[in-house]
Amino acid sequence: AQRVTQPEKLLSVFKGAPVELKCNYSYSGSPELFWYVQYSRQRLQLLLRHISRESIKGFTADLNKGETSFHLKKPFAQEEDSAMYYCALSGRAGGGNKLTFGTGTQLKVEL
Amino acid sequence: DTGVSQDPRHKITKRGQNVTFRCDPISEHNRLYWYRQTLGQGPEFLTYFQNEAQLEKSRLLSDRFSAERPKGSFSTLEIQRTEQGDSAMYLCASSSAIWDAEAFFGQGTRLTVV
Repeated sequence: AQRVTQPEKLLSVFKGAPVELKCNYSYSGSPELFWYVQYSRQRLQLLLRHISRESIKGFTADLNKGETSFHLKKPFAQEEDSAMYYCALSGRAGGGNKLTFGTGTQLKVEL
Repeated sequence: DTGVSQDPRHKITKRGQNVTFRCDPISEHNRLYWYRQTLGQGPEFLTYFQNEAQLEKSRLLSDRFSAERPKGSFSTLEIQRTEQGDSAMYLCASSSAIWDAEAFFGQGTRLTVV
């Protein structure tokens, strides 16, 4: 069975401080990992995926297979980063790219 | 707006009534997904279609739930004999059939069963 765990429901940081949103997963095969973000009153949208190894809006995430983690990081938080962040997993062995989501972490960036 | 659209955005219904939601995916996407999201939880997979074929259904999808995508374009999700536990946000997403394709989400339909 595949599972995604986000241990923090709420993370509050000051503007300019580093951010790390934690994500751990459980999957027997070779997973694809994603971070989705939902800004206030907007739809869920893809932020980044591990395979592309990109930095999006200053965020990066590295897949650590040994620790089964895919933590999201940003060195300096901005006010516009305040949003709900979901870590998600897609198994490669069929399943049509269906996603298994974590429970989400609400990031609040304070001035 | 060329994104995924869902209708209605909000639905309030009495327990025991039937409801139907509609999803219009991005036109060139042949995969369509339904998810359900309850308060404090992430979206949970319900079912997905590739073109008109329903290829997978979650065990979450009881026999009161049925989804269709008759012409491989829009999809409907029907809930019969609604229960209070069905109250949730129902999300639709679409993607191309490439194995790591990005899923684009609609704004969702919020169902409240009273």
